[in-house]
Amino acid sequence: AQKVTQAQTEISVVEKEDVTLDCVYETRDTTYYLFWYKQPPSGELVFLIRRNSFDEQNEISGRYSWNFQKSTSSFNFTITASQVVDSAVYFCASADGAQKLVFGQGTRLTINP
Amino acid sequence: EPEVTQTPSHQVTQMGQEVILRCVPISNHLYFYWYRQILGQKVEFLVSFYNNEISEKSEIFDDQFSVERPDGSNFTLKIRSTKLEDSAMYFCASKVQNTEAFFGQGTRLTVV
Repeated sequence: AQKVTQAQTEISVVEKEDVTLDCVYETRDTTYYLFWYKQPPSGELVFLIRRNSFDEQNEISGRYSWNFQKSTSSFNFTITASQVVDSAVYFCASADGAQKLVFGQGTRLTINP
Repeated sequence: EPEVTQTPSHQVTQMGQEVILRCVPISNHLYFYWYRQILGQKVEFLVSFYNNEISEKSEIFDDQFSVERPDGSNFTLKIRSTKLEDSAMYFCASKVQNTEAFFGQGTRLTVV
């Protein structure tokens, strides 16, 4: 069975600081997918990124970047120059061939002005 | 941009009553899901639906729960006899194969 661990329950930083959200996954599958979703205070789940297990290239999208390392089973998410609008709960998730998502516990990120 | 639509956004029901949560997935999607999030907790998988049948369900999805795709566009979750512990946010999601799932905005179910 898949498992996702987000050890950081809450993080609070001051605006413009960089912040990294950790995600560690467990799986026995050789083919799997990893995701990050954002849940703002309004409650919806917003897709941020998907990676498959064969693609370890890091990805950057504006202020967001993701570091996928199979050697440590980690898929960490960094926000550079954080903004108040980044305040949300962030979920890391994994999916195997069955395609259902297994979510971590989430990290509540608060960006203070 | 296509989106998953859920109705109602908030439903309050008395314990023991039946509720139906409705979802309209994105039109060309083939895989459909229901997830649940108890307040302040993580998002949990309930059930997946493909080719007009349940493909997988979790331990949470017991005999009180059922899903249906009655008309090729709607996807519903029925809870036959609600319990207090069913109070949660319920998310519908849809996808095509090997892509990300797109989630609806959720239905907050409150059982009193």
